[in-house]
Amino acid sequence: GAVVSQHPSRVICKSGTSVKIECRSLDFQATTMFWYRQFPKQSLMLMATSNEGSKATYEQGVEKDKFLINHASLTLSTLTVTSAHPEDSSFYICSARDPRSNQPQHFGDGTRLSIL
Amino acid sequence: AQKITQTQPGMFVQEKEAVTLDCTYDTSDPSYGLFWYKQPSSGEMIFLIYQGSYDQQNATEGRYSLNFQKARKSANLVISASQLGDSAMYFCAMRLNSGGSNYKLTFGKGTLLTVNP
Repeated sequence: GAVVSQHPSRVICKSGTSVKIECRSLDFQATTMFWYRQFPKQSLMLMATSNEGSKATYEQGVEKDKFLINHASLTLSTLTVTSAHPEDSSFYICSARDPRSNQPQHFGDGTRLSIL
Repeated sequence: AQKITQTQPGMFVQEKEAVTLDCTYDTSDPSYGLFWYKQPSSGEMIFLIYQGSYDQQNATEGRYSLNFQKARKSANLVISASQLGDSAMYFCAMRLNSGGSNYKLTFGKGTLLTVNP
């Protein structure tokens, strides 16, 4: 079964609204979570690394004020797209690192965000 | 900085035949992990196989095997006995194991595999 739960799976909203996406690790404590963005037929682009209890580390070119990341607990990280516009429409995927082993990151099922 | 290169934007294979998806990588770190993920049209990322840089043997997982050639810095994925359900996007990824890397993954551009009946 899924070890990382991501909600919502799809969002359609008007331009100017803010959208929050949740990423939860279900059976392990994830000190580190990652947020990716993926445009159609392209690869995953890392947006930021989310560390529990500290500020997220953003990749170059990603607007911190636009994409707010909160990692308040060991099982939950949230990404808020603030004042979303049509160009923010994309597929957003989170992942969580399981610190117990050398296993790969576990991915959520992604969120398709459409801004009208 | 690390880099993953997948040179095949698209591949076609006949059902029940084997197919190799290419992946080369570049890093100066001695300790790293290489991964292959499958992404169907529905979008979820499905982990297929992992190879550690110090692993002596090539990784295998069912119909998936990883042809790891460290000197050439290649980590090709071999899918045997292709099935229609294997049609998807395939991503090669690398993770540095040094603490400063924060264990983030670097992805290649992907290969779209189509299995023909």
